[in-house]
Amino acid sequence: AQSVAQPEDQVNVAEGNPLTVKCTYSVSGNPYLFWYVQYPNRGLQFLLKYITGDNLVKGSYGFEAEFNKSQTSFHLKKPSALVSDSALYFCAVVNFNKFYFGSGTKLNVKP
Amino acid sequence: GAVVSQHPSWVICKSGTSVKIECRSLDFQATTMFWYRQFPKQSLMLMATSNEGSKATYEQGVEKDKFLINHASLTLSTLTVTSAHPEDSSFYICSGSTNTGELFFGEGSRLTVL
Repeated sequence: AQSVAQPEDQVNVAEGNPLTVKCTYSVSGNPYLFWYVQYPNRGLQFLLKYITGDNLVKGSYGFEAEFNKSQTSFHLKKPSALVSDSALYFCAVVNFNKFYFGSGTKLNVKP
Repeated sequence: GAVVSQHPSWVICKSGTSVKIECRSLDFQATTMFWYRQFPKQSLMLMATSNEGSKATYEQGVEKDKFLINHASLTLSTLTVTSAHPEDSSFYICSGSTNTGELFFGEGSRLTVL
């Protein structure tokens, strides 16, 4: 069975500091991994994805994520957080074109 | 990226009535569309997968007679919540899959059943 875990319900960082939002996964076969961001009462916006190739994936709005096969992790990172990054972030794994989402992590960036 | 439009974005209805939510892919053909339901402060729950011209495949625990899904064309899928009740109040999000496997989400539709 496919599953995604986001161990932190909430992450608080100060503006300008680096941020990390954690995600671990469990899949059979090679994983297709995604990160999405959701603003209040809005749909999801695509940030980045890992299919194959380089373990470090760069995405929208300065975000990046590192695929770590040995640790089955796909943590989302950004070197310098902005207040506008405050939102709900979802990690997802794809299997047979179906997305399975983690529980979400609320990112709070304080000025 | 590709655009998926949902309508209405917000709907309030009386208990017992039916509500239809439309999901359109505006600039691509979505052979597969997905419908999700999101409860407050929770993740998205996949409800069903619909392929153009065929019956939708529902996830375990989702009542297919309650949540009718129609995917009549490559750019339109509809979700009808039949005989809605307050417990059906939720945020419903659709997504369309491009032929390269990328997924684009609609803005979501918030349903409130009184």
